[in-house]
Amino acid sequence: AQTVTQSQPEMSVQEAETVTLSCTYDTSESNYYLFWYKQPPSRQMILVIRQEAYKQQNATENRFSVNFQKAAKSFSLKISDSQLGDTAMYFCAFVGASYDKVIFGPGTSLSVIP
Amino acid sequence: NAGVMQNPRHLVRRRGQEARLRCSPMKGHSHVYWYRQLPEEGLKFMVYLQKENIIDESGMPKERFSAEFPKEGPSILRIQQVVRGDSAAYFCASSSLLAGERGTGELFFGEGSRLTVL
Repeated sequence: AQTVTQSQPEMSVQEAETVTLSCTYDTSESNYYLFWYKQPPSRQMILVIRQEAYKQQNATENRFSVNFQKAAKSFSLKISDSQLGDTAMYFCAFVGASYDKVIFGPGTSLSVIP
Repeated sequence: NAGVMQNPRHLVRRRGQEARLRCSPMKGHSHVYWYRQLPEEGLKFMVYLQKENIIDESGMPKERFSAEFPKEGPSILRIQQVVRGDSAAYFCASSSLLAGERGTGELFFGEGSRLTVL
C-alpha cells in the first residue's frame, strides 16, 4: 500500500526567507504523480505544484519548487521569498498511474513570521 | 462558477440524526472523492466514485456511512445515526481522469462541509 510521510508537523520561517518542507512516500509503482496542496485558514485546498514521476526535471511554479528524488522516494517543497500569505497547512499527496485514490500525508503547519 | 460545489457548508445535527452532504463536481468531471478531516489532522480518504459506481470505499466506516454518485445529480455522502466522533470537515474533490487514458491526477476541491454533532 502506498503511504505518504511528512516528518515535520510544524515549521516557521521569517518573511522573505526560504523554507523547505519534507515529504517521503512509499510505492511499488514506477509511474505516479506527486502533489503539494496548501490549506490556508480558510480551509480551501489549493494545488501548489505537481510533479510527474517520469519527468526528471523538478517542477517549479514561481516561488515554489520541488526537489524530486525518485530513487530515495523523496519529494520536498521549497518556498522562496516567503510571504505572510504562505502561512498554511501543506499536504504532500501521491496518486499512482492506475488512478486510484489520492493519498495525503499528515501535513506540515507552516507559519511565516513578519 | 464551474468549481466543485459542496453544500451545506455547515451542518449541525444531534446525536442519532442523519447527515447528508452533497457535492457537485466540476463540469466535465466524472470522478468524485470524499475525504474527512478531523480537527488538527490531515485528510483521510473515504470513498472514490465514478458515475453510478463505487470504485474504492476502503476508507469508509462499515456502518452508518454510505455514498452515491447517480447518473444525474450530485454525489451524496450520507451518515446515519450520527455520533459526536463524526464531527469533522468533509471535503469533496473531483478529477477528469478517464479510464485507460493518462491524466494529471490533479484533484479539484470543494470548500468542504463542516459537520458538528451536538
